[in-house]
Amino acid sequence: DAKTTQPPSMDCAEGRAANLPCNHSTISGNEYVYWYRQIHSQGPQYIIHGLKNNETNEMASLIITEDRKSSTLILPHATLRDTAVYYCIHDPGNEKLTFGTGTRLTIIP
Amino acid sequence: DARVTQTPRDKVTEMGQEVTMRCQPILGHNTVFWYRQTMMQGLELLAYFRNRAPLDDSGMPKDRFSAEMPDATLATLKIQPSEPRDSAVYFCASGEGFGTTEAFFGQGTRLTVV
Repeated sequence: DAKTTQPPSMDCAEGRAANLPCNHSTISGNEYVYWYRQIHSQGPQYIIHGLKNNETNEMASLIITEDRKSSTLILPHATLRDTAVYYCIHDPGNEKLTFGTGTRLTIIP
Repeated sequence: DARVTQTPRDKVTEMGQEVTMRCQPILGHNTVFWYRQTMMQGLELLAYFRNRAPLDDSGMPKDRFSAEMPDATLATLKIQPSEPRDSAVYFCASGEGFGTTEAFFGQGTRLTVV
C-alpha cells in the first residue's frame, strides 16, 4: 500500500506561513501527490495535487522535490480556520486514496 | 453547488440490527469510495467502485458488510448484523476517476451501535 510519512502535529502562528512536510520515498513514476485536510467532524477536503512541477491554487502551494520523494504543502497566510488534520497521499489518480495518520496543524492566535 | 449527499447523518441502532447507509455521488462522477473513520484506526478505505463495478473491497469485513451501486446515482453500504465495534463515522466520496481530479467527500454518517 502507498505509504507517506508526516509529522504527527505542528503549530503555526496565525498570519504566518504554515509549511507541512511529507515524505513519499516509495512513490511511483505515474503517481500524483495529493493533499487533503479534515476539519473537525467534517469530511476530508481536497487541497491540491501535483506530479512533478510545483503547483499553486487559491488555497495553497505544493512544492515537490526533484526526486519526487518528498513534498511540502504551504499555506501562505494561515488563519484559525486552517486548523485541521492534513493528509498527504500518493496515488495514480483516484485509484485508492489511502489515507495515513496525517499532521494535526494547530493555528495559534 | 454539486456535493456528495449521505443519509442518514446520524444513526443509533441496537446490536444485531441491519443498517443501511446511502450515498448520492456527484452527477457524472464514475468513482465512488466508502471510508470508515474511528479514533483508533483513522480513515480506512472499505471499498471503491468505478462505473458501478466494485474494484476493491478488500478493506471491508465480508461476513457482515456489503456495498452496492444499484444505479449511478446511489451507492449503499449495508451492515448485517451490526455490532458495537462498527460504531464509527462512515464517509462516501466520489470522483471522476482515471485521472488527476479530486475526490469530493460527503458529510458522513455517524453510526452508533449499542
